Amino acid sequence: TQLLEQSPQFLSIQEGENLTVYCNSSSVFSSLQWYRQEPGEGPVLLVTVVTGGEVKKLKRLTFQFGDARKDSSLHITAAQPGDTGLYLCADNTDKLIFGTGTRLQVFP
Amino acid sequence: EAGVVQSPRYKIIEKKQPVAFWCNPISGHNTLYWYLQNLGQGPELLIRYENEEAVDDSQLPKDRFSAERLKGVDSTLKIQPAELGDSAVYLCASSPGPGGPYNEQFFGPGTRLTVL
Repeated sequence: TQLLEQSPQFLSIQEGENLTVYCNSSSVFSSLQWYRQEPGEGPVLLVTVVTGGEVKKLKRLTFQFGDARKDSSLHITAAQPGDTGLYLCADNTDKLIFGTGTRLQVFP
Repeated sequence: EAGVVQSPRYKIIEKKQPVAFWCNPISGHNTLYWYLQNLGQGPELLIRYENEEAVDDSQLPKDRFSAERLKGVDSTLKIQPAELGDSAVYLCASSPGPGGPYNEQFFGPGTRLTVL
């Protein structure tokens, strides 16, 4: 059974700081997706990465897929309170296998 | 376009009582999923439907959980009887087609179940 470990588990920072969240798999990802989930809502897809070494940017968010496709990182530049939420990585084959999650709190 | 609709949003019941959750997917989405999410953790798949057929129910505790999607549109997830450990958020999601690298699932807001 594939295990997706995310770190850190919790992150509490001030507005304007930078941060990086990590996702590591016990096996090679078929493809990797990152989601953000706000309180009381379902997860919302941020990005899909498929190719080892791939880098994608979404405004202040930068997503990197490891060369061996067993790890990924999400970097947020100049975090804002609106970035607060639960960040989830997921392996997407025919079903989603989610990681353990990183709960981010950004204070004004 | 309306998103995935779930009801109720919150449900509080006593243990051993039955409970049912309803989900209406995005119009035209053939694939429907039910997930369970414990506090602070990622969702875990319970069951996946392709139209009205359950194609993956390997993680569904069939002794107390059941689901149906009779006309291939909306779906109901039932727990009977509920146990304390069933307290969680139950998420429904839908996608236009079956799973795969470029398949995007759209999630509803979930039903938060509390079993007392």
